[in-house]
Amino acid sequence: GAVVSQHPSWVICKSGTSVKIECRSLDFQATTMFWYRQFPKQSLMLMATSNEGSKATYEQGVEKDKFLINHASLTLSTLTVTSAHPEDSSFYICSEAGTSKNEQYFGPGTRLTVT
Amino acid sequence: QKEVEQDPGPLSVPEGAIVSLNCTYSNSAFQYFMWYRQYSRKGPELLMYTYSSGNKEDGRFTAQVDKSSKYISLFIRDSQPSDSATYLCAMSAGGGNKLTFGTGTQLKVEL
Repeated sequence: GAVVSQHPSWVICKSGTSVKIECRSLDFQATTMFWYRQFPKQSLMLMATSNEGSKATYEQGVEKDKFLINHASLTLSTLTVTSAHPEDSSFYICSEAGTSKNEQYFGPGTRLTVT
Repeated sequence: QKEVEQDPGPLSVPEGAIVSLNCTYSNSAFQYFMWYRQYSRKGPELLMYTYSSGNKEDGRFTAQVDKSSKYISLFIRDSQPSDSATYLCAMSAGGGNKLTFGTGTQLKVEL
């Protein structure tokens, strides 16, 4: 399966600041990546679909101006949480579609804590 | 009603037991079915990936899909403490469509 990395694995920031999370495909050229968030003891919630070279597609209820997604190359997608607030504290996970495009491979996740 | 239903558990079994994890779904368009294992504070790991109805075996893991009943299962044989994790089912209609996840079942395998 595909190998996906994320950086950083854990970040603490102050309320009002912005945080960038990187998602890298290490062994595959990923034209499509996905960003999820996960609250404790809950399932994954899809935030947006990131397409290389074009604008991301956001799920209903996700603020595109707050969660900026950039997919500038086939191996890197970034999620920037702008003007972070404590309620943005969560586990953010990216994934890439496999070769058949029907399965997804996930990164290790980034734990964001906003104080 | 959720599109995918999964018992959240927790499910506790003794080491060596056979574990049965299940999901039901309502969308008949789903064609691709996955099981993920997620350890605490880690990203989900793809365990099994199947298309349409039938069985698939990989080591101690067996995935079953019954599309007529809209029911999928994951069996774990000879369960080990290292199998203790949350197991998520996921499915899609294919064509690059997004995944729909179950809520996850927390499994604990005790010595």
